[in-house]
Amino acid sequence: SQQGEEDPQALSIQEGENATMNCSYKTSINNLQWYRQNSGRGLVHLILIRSNEREKHSGRLRVTLDTSKKSSSLLITASRAADTASYFCATEDTGRRALTFGSGTRLQVQP
Amino acid sequence: EPEVTQTPSHQVTQMGQEVILRCVPISNHLYFYWYRQILGQKVEFLVSFYNNEISEKSEIFDDQFSVERPDGSNFTLKIRSTKLEDSAMYFCASRTDRGLRGGYTFGSGTRLTVV
Repeated sequence: SQQGEEDPQALSIQEGENATMNCSYKTSINNLQWYRQNSGRGLVHLILIRSNEREKHSGRLRVTLDTSKKSSSLLITASRAADTASYFCATEDTGRRALTFGSGTRLQVQP
Repeated sequence: EPEVTQTPSHQVTQMGQEVILRCVPISNHLYFYWYRQILGQKVEFLVSFYNNEISEKSEIFDDQFSVERPDGSNFTLKIRSTKLEDSAMYFCASRTDRGLRGGYTFGSGTRLTVV
């Protein structure tokens, strides 16, 4: 797979359910970040996890990072219709100060 | 909360014309970026700018593209002779030079349509 590939590409759930999105990457990273994008709009930073961290929480968000498997997951708990958006992982590779984005997961939360 | 501001939000241009996309990054940030997103595709890195010069650029960022920070606040992307395939959403972003805590801050984007 390519750098920063998300899985699944699309996810549809009911309000109140949890949503899990996965991201894989190929390089050595400084950190991995998750961004949200509403249709046709800008990217909003959600959470950053450093390469020496394994898990991080922010409100209803939980991010894990497994550098041995070069993978990360984003869990959104108790989803709401307003969580409907595309979610992208992005890595800041070692030695770089720029982001490489994945292809994104389109999340649809049905009210 | 500080914002990255981009103008215009939409631009339609004829093929072959020059366009300038404008951005005002966050004032105390030191790294500035342009990314683009072709409709339905992933966000792609174009160029990074630090200390008044390009620090990194992708293979997309060919001679048709240039960036400039003409004053202390604006950061521009110029496309000299636009092609149909330049149609995309262009995002400006900035980040602090210090230990990264909160990620990059992106603007709302300029939707460029080349006809």
